[in-house]
Amino acid sequence: AQKVTQAQTEISVVEKEDVTLDCVYETRDTTYYLFWYKQPPSGELVFLIRRNSFDEQNEISGRYSWNFQKSTSSFNFTITASQVVDSAVYFCALRVHGSSNTGKLIFGQGTTLQVKP
Amino acid sequence: EPEVTQTPSHQVTQMGQEVILRCVPISNHLYFYWYRQILGQKVEFLVSFYNNEISEKSEIFDDRFSVERPDGSNFTLKIRSTKLEDSAMYFCASSEEFDRYYEQYFGPGTRLTVT
Repeated sequence: AQKVTQAQTEISVVEKEDVTLDCVYETRDTTYYLFWYKQPPSGELVFLIRRNSFDEQNEISGRYSWNFQKSTSSFNFTITASQVVDSAVYFCALRVHGSSNTGKLIFGQGTTLQVKP
Repeated sequence: EPEVTQTPSHQVTQMGQEVILRCVPISNHLYFYWYRQILGQKVEFLVSFYNNEISEKSEIFDDRFSVERPDGSNFTLKIRSTKLEDSAMYFCASSEEFDRYYEQYFGPGTRLTVT
């Protein structure tokens, strides 16, 4: 079975603080893909990053960075120097590779991030 | 930049009525999806569609639900005999391929309210 757990339901920080959003996944597949999506108050889903299971290199994009660790089945997301515009719900998602795979995404429950000025 | 579009943005219907949610995927994409998000909850997979047939559906996608690609551009989700618990945001997504390096691009969603 595949599952994504985002244990942090809500996080509140003050602007310019760093914040890390946790994501733990479960799958028996050896090939899979992990994603982060942002859902601002307007409701759309904005793609942030994809990571393949065979590439554990961490990635940095501006104030965003992602830490992928297969040993702990985690794919954590860090925002450095948070800004009010970062306030949103963040979803971690999993897609597995396999003969029955049709590409569906399995989402975590989401973490609501509130950045206060 | 190409994008997935959905209409209407908000649909209100009475319980028991039929609704059709419309999506226009990105033109060269071959795989299409519907997801649902009940207010305040996670995004849940409903159905995937490829080559004019359903390739996978979830347990949410019961016999009241159907999908169709009536022409070369639209992808629709029909819900018959709507229930109060169908109230949710429905997202359409499409991708060029279903695997490897191809992301699913999501539309802005249709908020369905069943009264």
